[in-house]
Amino acid sequence: KNEVEQSPQNLTAQEGEFITINCSYSVGISALHWLQQHPGGGIVSLFMLSSGKKKHGRLIATINIQEKHSSLHITASHPRDSAVYICAIGPIQGAQKLVFGQGTRLTINP
Amino acid sequence: GAVVSQHPSRVICKSGTSVKIECRSLDFQATTMFWYRQFPKQSLMLMATSNEGSKATYEQGVEKDKFLINHASLTLSTLTVTSAHPEDSSFYICSARGNHGLYYEQYFGPGTRLTVT
Repeated sequence: KNEVEQSPQNLTAQEGEFITINCSYSVGISALHWLQQHPGGGIVSLFMLSSGKKKHGRLIATINIQEKHSSLHITASHPRDSAVYICAIGPIQGAQKLVFGQGTRLTINP
Repeated sequence: GAVVSQHPSRVICKSGTSVKIECRSLDFQATTMFWYRQFPKQSLMLMATSNEGSKATYEQGVEKDKFLINHASLTLSTLTVTSAHPEDSSFYICSARGNHGLYYEQYFGPGTRLTVT
């Protein structure tokens, strides 16, 4: 079993729908990252969070440390949100590696 | 949030030549830099970790003489692919981390697509 599990692996929705992508992990962490990778390959750091909730525009990320679970929400989804969304967990400090989920491929149809 | 830039975003080179990729943290000091490569439809694979002013630590299976990493300052790290071959064609991504006691911040660069002909 992977340390980081994302669901769903693939998600197709219509423009305007509310999107939720889930990330569960099995080890103790201090921070969790959400990344966006566009079809052309470019990576964008969306959020780094260790507790509670963060919001940026139409994107919201939440984390529950006790349940070892995080969700990424997209409100009023748009075709330009189509990308692979990657969850990664990280340590408190030091030069330890991030552990990545397998990614969720999101397609928003107009 | 903080920004990490990479240059170039795309590069095409001939087999046998060397290519240098730059990674810069634009508004924070990166005490640690990570270099990843990604093959199509696969996850990011860590190649090496470098701390500013120290030699890089390479992951198993990554040739340190082929992938030269320099982390000379707190805002710049470079990855040089030496004597490139077509099998080195890949997407290379850096990630910069700044440590602040028990807290750290870490951001990813947009990536560099290398094509070796």
